Amino acid sequence: SQKIEQNSEALNIQEGKTATLTCNYTNYSPAYLQWYRQDPGRGPVFLLLIRENEKEKRKERLKVTFDTTLKQSLFHITASQPADSATYLCALVPRRALTFGSGTRLQVQP
Amino acid sequence: EAGVAQSPRYKIIEKRQSVAFWCNPISGHATLYWYQQILGQGPKLLIQFQNNGVVDDSQLPKDRFSAERLKGVDSTLKIQPAKLEDSAVYLCASSLAFRDRNNYGYTFGSGTRLTVV
Repeated sequence: SQKIEQNSEALNIQEGKTATLTCNYTNYSPAYLQWYRQDPGRGPVFLLLIRENEKEKRKERLKVTFDTTLKQSLFHITASQPADSATYLCALVPRRALTFGSGTRLQVQP
Repeated sequence: EAGVAQSPRYKIIEKRQSVAFWCNPISGHATLYWYQQILGQGPKLLIQFQNNGVVDDSQLPKDRFSAERLKGVDSTLKIQPAKLEDSAVYLCASSLAFRDRNNYGYTFGSGTRLTVV
């Protein structure tokens, strides 16, 4: 069956460090992958989209990689800040609409 | 630009009662989605509309859930009768035309938190 897996355990890091979140998928062949941020009580907010032929995409302090051989995407936040604390969701488009992973909660300690 | 509007923000009902949620997408967004997010999980698609037509409702429990988007703008999601396991946040999202779905992200509303007791 198709699965999108994100680390269910919260990631705790110190301010200023680089946070790296992982998204693994099985039995999908997505041409695109997206990352969203979700704060408590709010809907997800779109951050980045990466295509299968892009390998890496950057936006300010964010970097996403996409390895279709490993079936994995890595999401990096450099120089992390307490304001980056949130749940981060990866999402694929296998059929018609986005299918989401369960998300990883990031906690950045001051 | 205005975001995706949803109401109500919170709703508490007893099991077997009915409930309706309303969504107003971003102006000009042809595609509208309803997602269900259970605590600790990612959003799960319930139904997708393109203008006022249904594109995908394969994961909608049609014996109790219904949704409509009559004029291709606002949408309503209804549950009747509600079960305890329907307790979740119901998120509405919109995006540009379906053909643009892989170039742009979705814009989500803040959701309606439903508690069935």
